Amino acid sequence: ETGVTQTPRHLVMGMTNKKSLKCEQHLGHNAMYWYKQSAKKPLELMFVYSLEERVENNSVPSRFSPECPNSSHLFLHLHTLQPEDSALYLCASSQGYYSGNEQFFGPGTRLTVL
Amino acid sequence: TQLLEQSPQFLSIQEGENLTVYCNSSSVFSSLQWYRQEPGEGPVLLVTVVTGGEVKKLKRLTFQFGDARKDSSLHITAAQPGDTGLYLCAGEDSGNQFYFGTGTSLTVIP
Repeated sequence: ETGVTQTPRHLVMGMTNKKSLKCEQHLGHNAMYWYKQSAKKPLELMFVYSLEERVENNSVPSRFSPECPNSSHLFLHLHTLQPEDSALYLCASSQGYYSGNEQFFGPGTRLTVL
Repeated sequence: TQLLEQSPQFLSIQEGENLTVYCNSSSVFSSLQWYRQEPGEGPVLLVTVVTGGEVKKLKRLTFQFGDARKDSSLHITAAQPGDTGLYLCAGEDSGNQFYFGTGTSLTVIP
C-alpha cells in the first residue's frame, strides 16, 4: 500500500466510449503524474501537475484529457481512443516537483480498447 | 529524449544464485533511481544514487552509479523468490525530468 489508489483497476472500452480514470493520493503531496506503461516500451510520462497546475504535457493526443481539481485527486478523461492506447496507466505523486523526489505509484488501471 | 537501455530484458534464475542487471545511457544524469514493480502493482522505489561512483546497499541488493553518471548496475546476492519482479531504472536530467528504461523482468525459481 503506497498511499496512492487508482480506480478502476481494469477497464475495457470501445473506441467510441467516454470513460475516466481516477487517482487519489493520501500522502499530502503537491505533485501528481500520469504515466503510460506499454509492453516492451519505457514508462512514458504523460502529464504532470504541481500545486494543481499542469506543468508538463508530453505531446499526448487530445483524446486524453487530464483534470486535477485539488492536490489529492487526478483524473484522466478518455474519449475516442484507439486500440494502440491499450496499456497500463499509472498514477504517481511526489512531495513536490523538484530534483530527486521520490515518486509513489498507484497500482495502475489496465486499459483495453477494443 | 534520453534513452536508457536495460539488460538483460529477461532473466530467470534459481533461488540462491547471484545476478547483475544493467542500466546504460549515453546521457549524463544528475541522479538515477531503481524501482521494482511486482505483477499487478505500480513501481516502488528501491534507491536513489546521485554521486558518480556511489555504491549503496539495501540488504542483498547492491546498487552502483557509474563514475561518469551515465550508467548503473544492480547486483543481487543469493536471490530469493520474493525478488521476482520488473526492475526499472530512471535517470533524472538537468531539467528535473525522469526517463525510465524498459526494465529487466526477473524470475527467481524456488
